[in-house]
Amino acid sequence: KQEVTQIPAALSVPEGENLVLNCSFTDSAIYNLQWFRQDPGKGLTSLLLIQSSQREQTSGRLNASLDKSSGRSTLYIAASQPGDSATYLCAVRQVDSSYKLIFGSGTRLLVRP
Amino acid sequence: EAQVTQNPRYLITVTGKKLTVTCSQNMNHEYMSWYRQDPGLGLRQIYYSMNVEVTDKGDVPEGYKVSRKEKRNFPLILESPSPNQTSLYFCASSKTLRDSPLHFGNGTRLTVT
Repeated sequence: KQEVTQIPAALSVPEGENLVLNCSFTDSAIYNLQWFRQDPGKGLTSLLLIQSSQREQTSGRLNASLDKSSGRSTLYIAASQPGDSATYLCAVRQVDSSYKLIFGSGTRLLVRP
Repeated sequence: EAQVTQNPRYLITVTGKKLTVTCSQNMNHEYMSWYRQDPGLGLRQIYYSMNVEVTDKGDVPEGYKVSRKEKRNFPLILESPSPNQTSLYFCASSKTLRDSPLHFGNGTRLTVT
C-alpha cells in the first residue's frame, strides 16, 4: 500500500531564505507526482506536476525534483517571502486502474518577515 | 475565470437530514472527484467520475452518493448525514484522469450535530 510522508510537519524560516520541503513515498511505481499549496480556509492550488519520466519541473521561484527509484521528491523555494506561508502537500498518482492520488499530510511553512 | 465552484461554503445540519453539496467546473474537464480532509487523516477520496454517467468509489464512499449527469456538475449527496461526516469537503477536477494537474474548489465545511 502506497504511503506518502512529508517531513517536517512544520517549518519556520526568516524571509529571504532558500528552503527545501521533502516528500517520500514507499512504492516507486507512480505515474506522476504533484505539489500543492493550501492556504487556510482555501482549497489546494496545484504548483507543479512531474511526470514519472521527468527529473524536475520549475515554475518561477519553485523547483520540484523527483527521484523515483529512491521514492523521494523535493520542493525547493528560492528567496522565500511571507506570502509563501501556507501548507504544502505532495501527492503521488498510482499506476493502477483508478490512477488515484495519494496525498501526504503536508508541511506547514511560516516565512517570518 | 477558470474555476471549480462549490456551494455552500459552510453548512451546519442535523443527523439524518438529507443534504447536497454542489460542485461545478467551467473548464470542460472530464475528470471530477470529491475528497474529505480531516485532521490527522489528510485528504481521502470519496468518489470520482471519469466522464458523464461514469462514477466510481474512492477510499471512503460509505454514506455518500454522487451523480454526473452533465460534464460540468458533480454533486455530493448525503442521504442521512451522521456526526462522523463532519469534515471539510473538496471537489476537484482535471482535464484528464492521469496527466493533468488537479484543480480544487474552495471547500465546504460541514458540521453534523
